[in-house]
Amino acid sequence: QQQVKQSPQSLIVQKGGISIINCAYENTAFDYFPWYQQFPGKGPALLIAIRPDVSEKKEGRFTISFNKSAKQFSLHIMDSQPGDSATYFCAVPKPGNTPLVFGKGTRLSVIA
Amino acid sequence: GAVVSQHPSRVICKSGTSVKIECRSLDFQATTMFWYRQFPKQSLMLMATSNEGSKATYEQGVEKDKFLINHASLTLSTLTVTSAHPEDSSFYICSANPGDRGHLEAFFGQGTRLTVV
Repeated sequence: QQQVKQSPQSLIVQKGGISIINCAYENTAFDYFPWYQQFPGKGPALLIAIRPDVSEKKEGRFTISFNKSAKQFSLHIMDSQPGDSATYFCAVPKPGNTPLVFGKGTRLSVIA
Repeated sequence: GAVVSQHPSRVICKSGTSVKIECRSLDFQATTMFWYRQFPKQSLMLMATSNEGSKATYEQGVEKDKFLINHASLTLSTLTVTSAHPEDSSFYICSANPGDRGHLEAFFGQGTRLTVV
């Protein structure tokens, strides 16, 4: 059973546009919702994370929106830049343990 | 942020040989580290949990005799791919969580690209 469902699989956005990636989860016990950014040939790096006690968190051009009732959280990248082109993963903590379970990833391409 | 270092970043080995990958937490101690595997254009799949001073915990479907994990110190975990075959070619990534902050702070190594020829 998939712990977290991520969409879209790929995304092409014009430079300066808004990139939106969505994740839906099943387990209401999850209490930590991070987004990771991965460039080719590199390990993932934490981009931004949110706890369920807030509905939105913003860090620079990156915003997480969290909808507890819908069991969804999304990543918004404002003013998208070519340097943002990467694969983005949402993740949830594995129940009963600390490792993360990742979504399938979204390949973002920002074109000029 | 905390630093997790993985070595080597790339390795090519012949079929049938063994390869060791190291994962080090450089500025914190980690009683637990995690090993992931990632195929091209796919997500990270958890292989095993490495526990300092005790046996690793493997995910379902991961052969423990093929992927040997040793966590001999609070800053080092190693993954040895034994009798490697071309189908073991993949990107292996480790992660660790500093201190007692649990899953709130998961840091990843830079990954190891293994190619078995």
